[in-house]
Amino acid sequence: DAGITQSPRHKVTETGTPVTLRCHQTENHRYMYWYRQDPGHGLRLIHYSYGVKDTDKGEVSDGYSVSRSKTEDFLLTLESATSSQTSVYFCAISESKGSSGNTIYFGEGSWLTVV
Amino acid sequence: EDQVTQSPEALRLQEGESSSLNCSYTVSGLRGLFWYRQDPGKGPEFLFTLYSAGEEKEKERLKATLTKKESFLHITAPKPEDSATYLCAAAFNQAGTALIFGKGTTLSVSS
Repeated sequence: DAGITQSPRHKVTETGTPVTLRCHQTENHRYMYWYRQDPGHGLRLIHYSYGVKDTDKGEVSDGYSVSRSKTEDFLLTLESATSSQTSVYFCAISESKGSSGNTIYFGEGSWLTVV
Repeated sequence: EDQVTQSPEALRLQEGESSSLNCSYTVSGLRGLFWYRQDPGKGPEFLFTLYSAGEEKEKERLKATLTKKESFLHITAPKPEDSATYLCAAAFNQAGTALIFGKGTTLSVSS
């Protein structure tokens, strides 16, 4: 196991409500990521972090914000959930920059349904 | 545009029937080609990283190879427990700090 815990694992929420997903790692890896996985699209990067309070946008960041106040925790917030944000969300970690060829390890996923 | 394409989308094999999955990429500056296995309801599980053309890596019944344009995941004498979705991902200089994923190949092995 990669030492990644996501919570909650499953959540149903109503349109317009805020939602926060939490990722906790025990590996002390510098980089943390949030991906979403949808049929027909594969895994797409939402946001990533390269250190405490250091974050940047990914491919599909609209409607999402992130925060990282401690090395081990990376939060993904949907400020006002929409049905298009129904998806499976994966947290991932890597010791160094993923685009440099360093292995990215994934958590078990959080299933979010927005009704 | 940087792309990673996997084929076929789905593959059905009989137990013991060897085959290959393909991952083609169109980009310069490849920094690493990754293979993951994903079981239903689970997160992607890392299998291999390949860094240069000609490189090969093996794990049990799986062997991954890399050329300048594509990677293959060869499955030798598969068993039902090899049934899963196999994801290919590429790390590029231009891809920010993460990976570009293909859409996956879903493998079903029947006994």
